[in-house]
Amino acid sequence: DAGVTQSPTHLIKTRGQQVTLRCSPKSGHDTVSWYQQALGQGPQFIFQYYEEEERQRGNFPDRFSGHQFPNYSSELNVNALLLGDSALYLCASSLFLLGTKNTEAFFGQGTRLTVV
Amino acid sequence: LAKTTQPISMDSYEGQEVNITCSHNNIATNDYITWYQQFPSQGPRFIIQGYKTKVTNEVASLFIPADRKSSTLSLPRVSLSDTAVYYCLVELRTGGSYIPTFGRGTSLIVHP
Repeated sequence: DAGVTQSPTHLIKTRGQQVTLRCSPKSGHDTVSWYQQALGQGPQFIFQYYEEEERQRGNFPDRFSGHQFPNYSSELNVNALLLGDSALYLCASSLFLLGTKNTEAFFGQGTRLTVV
Repeated sequence: LAKTTQPISMDSYEGQEVNITCSHNNIATNDYITWYQQFPSQGPRFIIQGYKTKVTNEVASLFIPADRKSSTLSLPRVSLSDTAVYYCLVELRTGGSYIPTFGRGTSLIVHP
């Protein structure tokens, strides 16, 4: 079991560009969440996907969008990059359980995005 | 403003018990409280999860009072390899909905 895999591991982009980050969930998981972690801070929730739809969204602008594919993998897209978007982007997968929104999540190693 | 509060840092010595408390107001009534461990340049790793009272697994215990406005992670007999940042994760009411919210993390340093 490969666990949660993210690609790429590191990325450098120029301000104003667009970026796509990818995540493959742990085998058997159907829910993918994305987090942004700035240096020295805790992860901040961006959004969560289940059944190919955005189920929850944190306080992030519309420049942040996502997608979930039928195989449960997911992409995070960020448009019009700002210097402040530089962070570690984490993907977490979990199994949806009816009646609760907070089940054990497995995190990937993250993608380190640097905007210059 | 709904938020979680944890001590920024803690120091301990090998073999001691470490207790880290997270305070969280406006917690969702039907969700678990979860704690994660994170090493530099890695994603958070699940430690323990609970809803109320006490939960224990092979690595930690979690104490949750009846009002669920705080939780305490207990690490028995820490070792050098327990040096890491520890986060609590709860669902907090933000605006009109509950969203997963990590604390700012507690940096634990274990000394020989």
